[in-house]
Amino acid sequence: AQSVTQLGSHVSVSEGALVLLRCNYSSSVPPYLFWYVQYPNQGLQLLLKYTSAATLVKGINDFEAEFKKSETSFHLTKPSAHMSDAAEYFCAVRTNRGAGGTSYGKLTFGQGTILTVHP
Amino acid sequence: NAGVTQTPKFQVLKTGQSMTLQCAQDMNHNSMYWYRQDPGMGLRLIYYSASEGTTDKGEVPNGYNVSRLNKREFSLRLESAAPSQTSVYFCASSEIRGGPGELFFGEGSRLTVL
Repeated sequence: AQSVTQLGSHVSVSEGALVLLRCNYSSSVPPYLFWYVQYPNQGLQLLLKYTSAATLVKGINDFEAEFKKSETSFHLTKPSAHMSDAAEYFCAVRTNRGAGGTSYGKLTFGQGTILTVHP
Repeated sequence: NAGVTQTPKFQVLKTGQSMTLQCAQDMNHNSMYWYRQDPGMGLRLIYYSASEGTTDKGEVPNGYNVSRLNKREFSLRLESAAPSQTSVYFCASSEIRGGPGELFFGEGSRLTVL
């Protein structure tokens, strides 16, 4: 079974400060990992994804995440927070890889982390 | 670029009433999903359809039914609405064959059951 834990339901930073949102996953096979962002009253949009091509993944709006197998982590970072980054962020995992390298199955989401950015 | 379109965006029901949430995607994806989002609980999968002609239960299927009408459309029906079904519902689609299968989401349908 796959699962995701996001540490901290709320994170608050000052504008210009480092953003660090934590995600740990559980998977018995190599996973696909994702970070999504949800702005108020909107759907979720993909920030970045890990597909095993590179452990450091760059996404939109200067976000990046590093896959660390030994720590089963996929933390999201941004060097300098902007007011427009205020949103809820979700980490998600997909496993259940089938034969021949194809994947099937469902995404499992973490509980979400609300990021607040102070001026 | 429509992507995933959900209707209606807002709905208020009385307990016991029925309704159907409609979802359509124009990305030629094989897989479609219905999630509900509640504060502090993240997204929970209600039902999904891995491909046209198949549907499967997710984590919280009780009180819901789905229909995969064709490759584009996937509807969610509440037969007898209950206050516990007050939530925001998201439809999503993906192409999971040969790739990571990221989800593409609609904008959500806010349902209130009185």
